[in-house]
Amino acid sequence: EAGVAQSPRYKIIEKRQSVAFWCNPISGHATLYWYQQILGQGPKLLIQFQNNGVVDDSQLPKDRFSAERLKGVDSTLKIQPAKLEDSAVYLCASSPLGSGPYEQYFGPGTRLTVT
Amino acid sequence: SQQGEEDPQALSIQEGENATMNCSYKTSINNLQWYRQNSGRGLVHLILIRSNEREKHSGRLRVTLDTSKKSSSLLITASRAADTASYFCATDAKGSNYKLTFGKGTLLTVNP
Repeated sequence: EAGVAQSPRYKIIEKRQSVAFWCNPISGHATLYWYQQILGQGPKLLIQFQNNGVVDDSQLPKDRFSAERLKGVDSTLKIQPAKLEDSAVYLCASSPLGSGPYEQYFGPGTRLTVT
Repeated sequence: SQQGEEDPQALSIQEGENATMNCSYKTSINNLQWYRQNSGRGLVHLILIRSNEREKHSGRLRVTLDTSKKSSSLLITASRAADTASYFCATDAKGSNYKLTFGKGTLLTVNP
C-alpha cells in the first residue's frame, strides 16, 4: 500500500514570497490533515478535511494560509506572503472515513525555510 | 495550544534497558495515541488507548492510562538502537471531533 505522498521535500524562500505544498493521501482515506511542526515542538493541526469539506480550520492563519482539497483526493496548502516564523516542517496525514478514532498516517513532510 | 506534556524532555539509555515516558494532559479525552518520529521513517503511529481502557500492549510497548490523573505512560522494554526517536502523545478532547493535539515530545536516545 502506497503511503502519503508530499512534495516538495524541501523549500527555501524569502519572506513575503509565496509557496505551495502538495499532498496525495492514501487511497480511500477520506480524511486529510495538514500540520505545522516547528523545530522542537509537536505537530499542530492547521486544517482537517473530510472528503472535500473543511471539518476544522480553527488554527489556520487565514490571512496568509489557504488550503483546498479538490475532488476529495489531493490537497494543496499555500502560504502567501510567507513570514520568518513560518519556517517549519509541514506534514500531511490521512485517515479512513468513519466515526473515529483512527490512527493517522503521515507523509514525509515538506521542510520550509523562510529567509 | 499543546494539550499533552511529555516528561522527560530527553532520555538517554543503554541498549537492553527499559525506557519510560510520561504524558500529562489537561482536558477530558476520548482517546490517547502515541507516535514515534525519526528522520528515517517520519511520524508513525504506535498505539491507541481509549479513555475506558487502563492498559494496552503491542510487542515491546506497554501503555497505561489514568484518566483520574490525566496522565499516560509509554514503556519500551528491551530497547534497541533503532528505538532512538522522538515520542509524542496525542490526545483528542471530548467534543473535538477526534482532532489530535500533540505534546512537545520526549527525545529518546538508545546507545549501543
